[in-house]
Amino acid sequence: DAKTTQPPSMDCAEGRAANLPCNHSTISGNEYVYWYRQIHSQGPQYIIHGLKNNETNEMASLIITEDRKSSTLILPHATLRDTAVYYCIVMNTGGFKTIFGAGTRLFVKA
Amino acid sequence: DVKVTQSSRYLVKRTGEKVFLECVQDMDHENMFWYRQDPGLGLRLIYFSYDVKMKEKGDIPEGYSVSREKKERFSLILESASTNQTSMYLCASSRINTVEKLFFGSGTQLSVL
Repeated sequence: DAKTTQPPSMDCAEGRAANLPCNHSTISGNEYVYWYRQIHSQGPQYIIHGLKNNETNEMASLIITEDRKSSTLILPHATLRDTAVYYCIVMNTGGFKTIFGAGTRLFVKA
Repeated sequence: DVKVTQSSRYLVKRTGEKVFLECVQDMDHENMFWYRQDPGLGLRLIYFSYDVKMKEKGDIPEGYSVSREKKERFSLILESASTNQTSMYLCASSRINTVEKLFFGSGTQLSVL
């Protein structure tokens, strides 16, 4: 499975958009990009996933570059409750051997 | 709401003890996973199971075993706990052969003294 690279931490002002980048340059054609987040003392929670098209749901938007080597998770109006560790992972069907790195710790400040 | 339930939130054990961590899911998922999470290392896969009585090693299976006697239950066993197994343990489940997301439990913080 391909690995991902994310910045260790980022800050964002409350109410502003948070843009979290992820590099996955070795992604293969059948691998999806997934984003999860983990709020302190809880298990990771699914946010969004995509293959090659941009995706949007009630939580976030996912922008995947045309070559699929990187992606950006966008939280359009960050709140204090969005402070968490965000994981970008790539996986194929079945999710076996899914690799979670250290993620990006997002601090949303008032 | 769909649920993955881990039996204990916090657990303290002594070196050499046999430890059982239990995980139950109510979504009829085929796949179940055990991860451990340590600061700065992200989540590392210990074992996974894609069916009852089936199991596969993950990246760090040494010192652990698993049991899946029923579809909804996946147990992680530390045969002889050691201090380097002090960690947060997370269970997850998902459907098989789809791009379904992983559902995680809240985790068990295990301390081995």
